[in-house]
Amino acid sequence: SQELEQSPQSLIVQEGKNLTINCTSSKTLYGLYWYKQKYGEGLIFLMMLQKGGEEKSHEKITAKLDEKKQQSSLHITASQPSHAGIYLCGAYTGGFKTIFGAGTRLFVKA
Amino acid sequence: DTGVSQNPRHKITKRGQNVTFRCDPISEHNRLYWYRQTLGQGPEFLTYFQNEAQLEKSRLLSDRFSAERPKGSFSTLEIQRTEQGDSAMYLCASSLEAGGHGYTFGSGTRLTVV
Repeated sequence: SQELEQSPQSLIVQEGKNLTINCTSSKTLYGLYWYKQKYGEGLIFLMMLQKGGEEKSHEKITAKLDEKKQQSSLHITASQPSHAGIYLCGAYTGGFKTIFGAGTRLFVKA
Repeated sequence: DTGVSQNPRHKITKRGQNVTFRCDPISEHNRLYWYRQTLGQGPEFLTYFQNEAQLEKSRLLSDRFSAERPKGSFSTLEIQRTEQGDSAMYLCASSLEAGGHGYTFGSGTRLTVV
């Protein structure tokens, strides 16, 4: 079965700093979702990547899917306290089920 | 449209009791999903409805769990004879089609079994 591994598990950054979160799949990805979750809340859809080499941006957040479609990175530029939360990657399996990674917990120090 | 609505937000129940959660999806979304999330983990798929038909059910869903979506609108998730291991956040999501635009998630129902 497909598994997603996210790194780092948690991250503390100073406000204004850049950061990168990685998501590695055990199998080739049909598509890769990025979601953000505030603690104790539901998930908010950020973006979906499908093509190898594809890169998308949402405000100051940029995500890329590598050419081999087994790894994605999410990059935040000039982090702000509003970026704090849990970032989750999810693998689109070609049907209706999304398999999620365990998440990366981001803390931004003001 | 107010998005996906889940009720209650929190539920504390004694072991052995039955509980029922409700999810109201976005009205034009024909696909509805239930996921379960435990502390420090990502959401795990439980079940999926397309309109009123339950098309997939995870092995995580023991026979104590049942989900319905009468008339293809709101959905309910019932857990019978709750166990402490059922304590988790239960998330509902809806979408218009598979893939593409991701899901719209509700805020979840946090279940604590004491």
